[in-house]
Amino acid sequence: NAGVTQTPKFRVLKTGQSMTLLCAQDMNHEYMYWYRQDPGMGLRLIHYSVGEGTTAKGEVPDGYNVSRLKKQNFLLGLESAAPSQTSVYFCASSYSGQVSSYNEQFFGPGTRLTVL
Amino acid sequence: QKEVEQDPGPLSVPEGAIVSLNCTYSNSAFQYFMWYRQYSRKGPELLMYTYSSGNKEDGRFTAQVDKSSKYISLFIRDSQPSDSATYLCAMMKTSYDKVIFGPGTSLSVIP
Repeated sequence: NAGVTQTPKFRVLKTGQSMTLLCAQDMNHEYMYWYRQDPGMGLRLIHYSVGEGTTAKGEVPDGYNVSRLKKQNFLLGLESAAPSQTSVYFCASSYSGQVSSYNEQFFGPGTRLTVL
Repeated sequence: QKEVEQDPGPLSVPEGAIVSLNCTYSNSAFQYFMWYRQYSRKGPELLMYTYSSGNKEDGRFTAQVDKSSKYISLFIRDSQPSDSATYLCAMMKTSYDKVIFGPGTSLSVIP
């Protein structure tokens, strides 16, 4: 099993450009999440999905859109990139939203995005 | 004030030392507490999970929660160079709530 994979690993954008980050998981998990990680800020939830066809806003959703057309994929879009969106983006998945010793969030390797 | 705070470090210790990593939080509603380990340029992975107050031990790792002080700790015994990573504390109010992460503490274990 590949677990959680993210595409691309690195990307440099110019202000105003758009892009889509792809997250895929092969664990048949219901829940998927997009986080951003910035120095001194920790991981902050952007959007999440509790199942195919559903999405919801997290802590910092502005400037981002998401789609979950297939259970195994969760896409994060930036319509008009801004320098403030320079960050490392992590996707995660879990069987359900409930935390327990046996239901953890599994993270992908991250996408490093720089917006000039 | 941030909901969850951690000393960012970096913390540098010699191999074999006992390491203490700590988090403080402001919201007394948090009941579920986790520690994630994140190696450089990798995603975080769950290390320990505890519910409410008390201690939990797993091999060389012990997680401790003191809800009265709003303080959680992770102890690493006999630290190894492979323990060098950033440690993120995380917490939830209910088992279905969103996870709130601390900013992380960077640890280096020197051989």
